Amino acid sequence: AQSVAQPEDQVNVAEGNPLTVKCTYSVSGNPYLFWYVQYPNRGLQFLLKYITGDNLVKGSYGFEAEFNKSQTSFHLKKPSALVSDSALYFCAVKDGGATNKLIFGTGTLLAVQP
Amino acid sequence: DAEITQSPRHKITETGRQVTLACHQTWNHNNMFWYRQDLGHGLRLIHYSYGVQDTNKGEVSDGYSVSRSNTEDLPLTLESAASSQTSVYFCASSAGTSGSRHEQYFGPGTRLTVT
Repeated sequence: AQSVAQPEDQVNVAEGNPLTVKCTYSVSGNPYLFWYVQYPNRGLQFLLKYITGDNLVKGSYGFEAEFNKSQTSFHLKKPSALVSDSALYFCAVKDGGATNKLIFGTGTLLAVQP
Repeated sequence: DAEITQSPRHKITETGRQVTLACHQTWNHNNMFWYRQDLGHGLRLIHYSYGVQDTNKGEVSDGYSVSRSNTEDLPLTLESAASSQTSVYFCASSAGTSGSRHEQYFGPGTRLTVT
């Protein structure tokens, strides 16, 4: 069965420093991977996705993610964190077979200190 | 602009009552999903639909039902509300099965409290 793991419940980073939010996956077949962000009292917003092609995927708000097949990882990164990046981040993988379902991780709370 | 809306945004109900949460999307998406979000559990899929008259159970479907009579709407019904169903509920939609269209777009959520 497809699954994703976000090993860190919370990541703390100082404003201006680079940030990484980790995600590992387990899939059969080619992975379709996604990152979402949730601000307080809001729904999830799509950030970026990896379907195929370049291993470095660029998304909204200056975020990018690196697909690493050998390590089965899809870490979210940003070169310089902003206080406004503080939010809950979810990694997701498309469920296997002919399905449109996404399997979500449990989320990582990113806290950026000024 | 296309969007996905949920109503009500907040609801307080009593144990045993029937409650219906509305979800309406103007993306013209075939696929619609209902999730609940609880601390420590992330997002859990309740029900989903791939088109009109199609409904499927997710991982936590007990006590919930959905119906899909048109493309735009997927109402979620709690048949007899229980305190364990106190949660934040999110509706989402996506376009289809091709590789570029799996991303889901989420509504703002409904906070349901069952007393």
